Amino acid sequence: SQKIEQNSEALNIQEGKTATLTCNYTNYSPAYLQWYRQDPGRGPVFLLLIRENEKEKRKERLKVTFDTTLKQSLFHITASQPADSATYLCALHMDSNYQLIWGAGTKLIIKP
Amino acid sequence: NAGVTQTPKFQVLKTGQSMTLQCAQDMNHNSMYWYRQDPGMGLRLIYYSASEGTTDKGEVPNGYNVSRLNKREFSLRLESAAPSQTSVYFCASSEQGAILETQYFGPGTRLLVL
Repeated sequence: SQKIEQNSEALNIQEGKTATLTCNYTNYSPAYLQWYRQDPGRGPVFLLLIRENEKEKRKERLKVTFDTTLKQSLFHITASQPADSATYLCALHMDSNYQLIWGAGTKLIIKP
Repeated sequence: NAGVTQTPKFQVLKTGQSMTLQCAQDMNHNSMYWYRQDPGMGLRLIYYSASEGTTDKGEVPNGYNVSRLNKREFSLRLESAAPSQTSVYFCASSEQGAILETQYFGPGTRLLVL
């Protein structure tokens, strides 16, 4: 069956370090992948999008990689800050339709 | 711009009661979506509307109905609520519902069915 996996355990990172979150998928061939941030009690907010033919995408302190061979995307936050604490969701999109398939998210905690 | 708004923010229902969740967007988007979010699970699509006048079922449509009232508004109705429908419901919109688009979400409605 098709599956998207994000680490269900919270990730604790010391302020200033790089946080790396993982999104693995099986039995999909996504055309592109998106990362969203969700704060408690709020809806997800879009951060970055990467296409299947792109290896890496950057935006300020954020970097996303997409390895279609490993079926994995990594999301990096460099120089992490307590304000980066949130749940981060990955979502896949296939060419066949315009629906997004969502991971359950990873909670990131940045400790001062 | 308010973006995507949802009402109510919270609701408690008894089993068998009905209610309508309201959603509106002011971004002139064509496509709108209803998701539910449950602990430990990804967002699951209930219904979507690719454009005004059209609606389609998503992954988990049973027990729900929708109405695309106009371009701005997309409502979700629970005709006879069940405890399994306890969840957080998010409405979202996107420009065309096409590839490479991002979705914009409302703040959510937290529903408890007793």
